[in-house]
Amino acid sequence: SQTIHQWPATLVQPVGSPLSLECTVEGTSNPNLYWYRQAAGRGLQLLFYSVGIGQISSEVPQNLSASRPQDRQFILSSKKLLLSDSGFYLCAWSVGNTGELFFGEGSRLTVL
Amino acid sequence: QKEVEQNSGPLSVPEGAIASLNCTYSDRGSQSFFWYRQYSGKSPELIMSIYSNGDKEDGRFTAQLNKASQYVSLLIRDSQPSDSATYLCAVPDDTGGFKTIFGAGTRLFVKA
Repeated sequence: SQTIHQWPATLVQPVGSPLSLECTVEGTSNPNLYWYRQAAGRGLQLLFYSVGIGQISSEVPQNLSASRPQDRQFILSSKKLLLSDSGFYLCAWSVGNTGELFFGEGSRLTVL
Repeated sequence: QKEVEQNSGPLSVPEGAIASLNCTYSDRGSQSFFWYRQYSGKSPELIMSIYSNGDKEDGRFTAQLNKASQYVSLLIRDSQPSDSATYLCAVPDDTGGFKTIFGAGTRLFVKA
């Protein structure tokens, strides 16, 4: 069966510090991979999605970036965090164009 | 850009009652519709998918789709306190299903 792992689960970072969140998927090949962000009490905002290795589509201009170095690995990064980057970051995968998404456990980021 | 609208709630129902959650969408050409459940502090979980007009039942859950009126609903029969969560309506956008647009979600409280 397919599983998705995301880490770290929780982190507290100072403004201006770097960020790296990692996500891996097991049990499937060629998944579509996504990074969403959910601010407190808000809906899901799509940040990046990838349909293959090295293929990244950015949805929102910001100080975040994403990379997909391997088929089942998706990384979210920032060189300098802003206060507004605080939120719940969710990695998700899907296969083909079904539209069905399967989420990781999430990473809760607090920028102070 | 597609839009997905939901009443943010909270919707409060007594245990054993039917909870009715509604969602409207902007793109008349949408073909797939999804309901996700998100417990507080957790990641969303896919609970229902519906592609055709009419009803689709899965246990205590029934999804209803009316493409002519551009709405999709989720009925939860015999509501339980464990159903208390935020329910997110989601629709793939027009990039071939690779991206999903989420509503802001409806908070449901089931009172024991």
